Amino acid sequence: DQQVKQNSPSLSVQEGRISILNCDYTNSMFDYFLWYKKYPAEGPTFLISISSIKDKNEDGRFTVFLNKSAKHLSLHIVPSQPGDSAVYFCAANGFGNEKLTFGTGTRLTIIP
Amino acid sequence: DAGITQSPRHKVTETGTPVTLRCHQTENHRYMYWYRQDPGHGLRLIHYSYGVKDTDKGEVSDGYSVSRSKTEDFLLTLESATSSQTSVYFCAISEQGKGLGYFGPGTRLTVT
Repeated sequence: DQQVKQNSPSLSVQEGRISILNCDYTNSMFDYFLWYKKYPAEGPTFLISISSIKDKNEDGRFTVFLNKSAKHLSLHIVPSQPGDSAVYFCAANGFGNEKLTFGTGTRLTIIP
Repeated sequence: DAGITQSPRHKVTETGTPVTLRCHQTENHRYMYWYRQDPGHGLRLIHYSYGVKDTDKGEVSDGYSVSRSKTEDFLLTLESATSSQTSVYFCAISEQGKGLGYFGPGTRLTVT
């Protein structure tokens, strides 16, 4: 049972445009959400996170939006740059739970 | 970069042989994790540790055991490797246990 779902395996976006990556979750006990970025042959790196008490968190070109009623979060990258081409993983965990549950990932390709 | 290394980085082994992967950190973080990454599954937690000699199972722990005798080292053992354990294995560390951690570079394991 996939508790964190990324339904788009891949996404292509023109350089300079907005990239929107989506993530859905089913476990209502999740209260903390994270995005990780992964380049080939490297480990994932933390990108941005959001707590369930917020609906938006921004860090430079990256913004994460959380819609708790829809159990949906999204990552916006504006403007998209070639170095953003990578696999993006959504992850979540619940209060008092040290274990992260990851989605299957979305491969983002930025077209120059 | 966070001080986290994995060894070996690549390994090919035969079905039925024991294999041990090592994760070493220099950050003195309390939490350590072992994940595997497979196409279509994202990252799945195998085992994690919340302190020396304190470990717990993740979602795909069957066929794996772990040990943590020192803060800096977390070992993952496949007692009798099977082809289904061919994967890329990532170690991660976290100070807070809320997923704001760092990942190692990964170990690519092939079981023939």
